[in-house]
Amino acid sequence: RKEVEQDPGPFNVPEGATVAFNCTYSNSASQSFFWYRQDCRKEPKLLMSVYSSGNEDGRFTAQLNRASQYISLLIRDSKLSDSATYLCVVLPRTGNQFYFGTGTSLTVIP
Amino acid sequence: DGGITQSPKYLFRKEGQNVTLSCEQNLNHDAMYWYRQDPGQGLRLIYYSQIVNDFQKGDIAEGYSVSREKKESFPLTVTSAQKNPTAFYLCASTGGQGRDTQYFGPGTRLTVL
Repeated sequence: RKEVEQDPGPFNVPEGATVAFNCTYSNSASQSFFWYRQDCRKEPKLLMSVYSSGNEDGRFTAQLNRASQYISLLIRDSKLSDSATYLCVVLPRTGNQFYFGTGTSLTVIP
Repeated sequence: DGGITQSPKYLFRKEGQNVTLSCEQNLNHDAMYWYRQDPGQGLRLIYYSQIVNDFQKGDIAEGYSVSREKKESFPLTVTSAQKNPTAFYLCASTGGQGRDTQYFGPGTRLTVL
């Protein structure tokens, strides 16, 4: 079983739509969680960390459900510039290896 | 500006040749990582280093070698033993106040001809 699993999509949504991605992780002792954004042929860039109480940054909301071992990312009022691949990343409490999902592809359509 | 630099951006090599990819950071980060990304796939860990003069194998270390002689530098050598080296190589680092957050360099795209 993979450490981190994501639905690869693709998700094709119209501008202004709300879209949500989920990511499940297998290690219940995981400590830290992140969402990264990766544009085509570029490096991943940190979008936001995910905190236990949930957190919001403008149109982006991240949630963590430790009981069910998943994290989610909600994007409201989608913009064309949100088109990218979104990577879920998990860091276990022990060890120093980050685990990456394969990414979810989002295309926002005019 | 603080950040992570990787060079070259594009690299071409012939089969049977070793090649070294550069990664430098001026963020004063302790930990550095090398990943490989293939089309449509996630990042796979090649090697990582938590401190100078120490490094550990990741999931796909075969055919690769690294060194960590300085805190700022973590070069990766792709040897001729690596059977399918064509890929996008990403270097990352963690440390400082955002200890758990990884920051990435711009990557090197290696093509074996």
